[in-house]
Amino acid sequence: NAGVTQTPKFQVLKTGQSMTLQCAQDMNHNSMYWYRQDPGMGLRLIYYSASEGTTDKGEVPNGYNVSRLNKREFSLRLESAAPSQTSVYFCASSFGTGGSYGYTFGSGTRLTVV
Amino acid sequence: GESVGLHLPTLSVQEGDNSIINCAYSNSASDYFIWYKQESGKGPQFIIDIRSNMDKRQGQRVTVLLNKTVKHLSLQIAATQPGDSAVYFCAENISEGAQKLVFGQGTRLTINP
Repeated sequence: NAGVTQTPKFQVLKTGQSMTLQCAQDMNHNSMYWYRQDPGMGLRLIYYSASEGTTDKGEVPNGYNVSRLNKREFSLRLESAAPSQTSVYFCASSFGTGGSYGYTFGSGTRLTVV
Repeated sequence: GESVGLHLPTLSVQEGDNSIINCAYSNSASDYFIWYKQESGKGPQFIIDIRSNMDKRQGQRVTVLLNKTVKHLSLQIAATQPGDSAVYFCAENISEGAQKLVFGQGTRLTINP
């Protein structure tokens, strides 16, 4: 039982390049989330998917797109990476939206855009 | 690996002492609160939670206190150990519209031997 798995763990991109961050969970959770974490800023919600087939914007969605591929997988895409997107990205999942269901986090993807 | 949150508030305590980490939350409509622990290079891990109809909840070596009057949350760690060194985040569930978990800035706890 792996929980939430994120790939890759590290990535360096040049400005303007695109990439997709992958996330998969094996806990049969309905809801999935993408957060970014910057120094001194805590975690900020980029996008979330309350259930399979739905996605919604969070606090900082600009420059990102997401796909809820199936119940297990939720990917985050950067179409044209910018240095401001240098951050640590965390995927999380829960049985339902809202913290009362508890979130399980992946170990993160450290992205550097040069 | 490099730690996130390089400019976080920090708290240094001696091993064996008790630690108190504080958090001010923003929304009076928040109905549920969680404390997470994040070790270097890892994702946040659940520590303890509390609902808004409670003012205190205890776990193993940890206690969370909630003061809704001043919108303040605290995490008390008893007899701190080297393994408690981490960044601690409070999170609030804002129950307006689509419920989402909003995280605080975090506090870095350092245990001195």
